[in-house]
Amino acid sequence: NAGVTQTPKFQVLKTGQSMTLQCAQDMNHEYMSWYRQDPGMGLRLIHYSVGAGITDQGEVPNGYNVSRSTTEDFPLRLLSAAPSQTSVYFCASSYSGLAVTNEKLFFGSGTQLSVL
Amino acid sequence: DAKTTQPTSMDCAEGRAANLPCNHSTISGNEYVYWYRQIHSQGPQYIIHGLKNNETNEMASLIITEDRKSSTLILPHATLRDTAVYYCIAYGSSNTGKLIFGQGTTLQVKP
Repeated sequence: NAGVTQTPKFQVLKTGQSMTLQCAQDMNHEYMSWYRQDPGMGLRLIHYSVGAGITDQGEVPNGYNVSRSTTEDFPLRLLSAAPSQTSVYFCASSYSGLAVTNEKLFFGSGTQLSVL
Repeated sequence: DAKTTQPTSMDCAEGRAANLPCNHSTISGNEYVYWYRQIHSQGPQYIIHGLKNNETNEMASLIITEDRKSSTLILPHATLRDTAVYYCIAYGSSNTGKLIFGQGTTLQVKP
């Protein structure tokens, strides 16, 4: 099993450029989410999805767009990159974000993004 | 959402038990206590979770106080590979998908 796969692993952007961070899972998980982690800080929730066609905002959604057209994929779009978006981005998935009794999140290995 | 409070950092001697505390005094009845850890810059890894009974698995033990206002994660025989940031999270059905991580505790296991 590949688990949660994030691409690319590293990316450098110029201010104002747009790009999409890819996230795919092969575990048939309904729930997927995106976090960012700034140096020396904890993880902050950007957006999440409890199923195909359903997305919602997390703690820090501004500057990011998401969509969930399939169960497997949950891309994160940066519309106009800013230096403040320099961070490590983690994608995560679980069987169901609403099923409390067995809510284990599985994380990808991260995408390190630098915006110059 | 119940807020959790953890010490910023802790040290532990290799081979000894590491006891990581977490305060969640505003936890509601349907919120579970979850623990994750993040080794270096990898993605976080699930450790254990519980509601009100003590739990044990191959990685750790979770002790939740009777009033559920605090808990302790126990790594029984810490190794150097257990050096990581440990996150305590309170999560329940009312959170509807918003799993919020705090700052966590940086555990340094020393030889």
